[in-house]
Amino acid sequence: KQEVTQIPAALSVPEGENLVLNCSFTDSAIYNLQWFRQDPGKGLTSLLLIQSSQREQTSGRLNASLDKSSGRSTLYIAASQPGDSATYLCAVATLSGGYQKVTFGTGTKLQVIP
Amino acid sequence: NAGVTQTPKFRILKIGQSMTLQCTQDMNHNYMYWYRQDPGMGLKLIYYSVGAGITDKGEVPNGYNVSRSTTEDFPLRLELAAPSQTSVYFCASSPRQVLYGYTFGSGTRLTVV
Repeated sequence: KQEVTQIPAALSVPEGENLVLNCSFTDSAIYNLQWFRQDPGKGLTSLLLIQSSQREQTSGRLNASLDKSSGRSTLYIAASQPGDSATYLCAVATLSGGYQKVTFGTGTKLQVIP
Repeated sequence: NAGVTQTPKFRILKIGQSMTLQCTQDMNHNYMYWYRQDPGMGLKLIYYSVGAGITDKGEVPNGYNVSRSTTEDFPLRLELAAPSQTSVYFCASSPRQVLYGYTFGSGTRLTVV
């Protein structure tokens, strides 16, 4: 059974800092891994999608890496801004009993202090 | 492009009442999903559909029902609401396979009292 862990559960940094969010998964036979952002009371917004054959994806100040062998992904946020404050979730897609299953982590709540 | 639209955004139900959460997508995605999100927990899959007329149970289907009569719509029905169903419900869709990632709706916050 795939398990997805995100540590820490919460993180507070001063504005301008570069930071790394972590996502660990137990089953390395994944299809892809997706990073989402969730603002309070809102839905999930997709940030980056990494296919199993890829090592990283970049979008603006965001860079996501994937290391399947170690079961880890990181989301790097450069020059953090107060507007980056949100909960960040990772989701891993695997094949389970013929069904493509997606397992979500519980998220890291990020606060960027002006 | 509206993406995935969920209604209502908020709802308070009394124990034993029933309601339908609506979900519509305009991206012609075959796959649609219903998740619930409880505080401090990851999203849990309730039901999913791989196309019109085809639905299947996820991890936590008890107390819910779904239908998929069209590609666009995937309503979630709660029968005999219970306090344990207090949660935030998210609908999502993806193209033929999850390989291409998810698009989520903005959620429905449901409280059962």
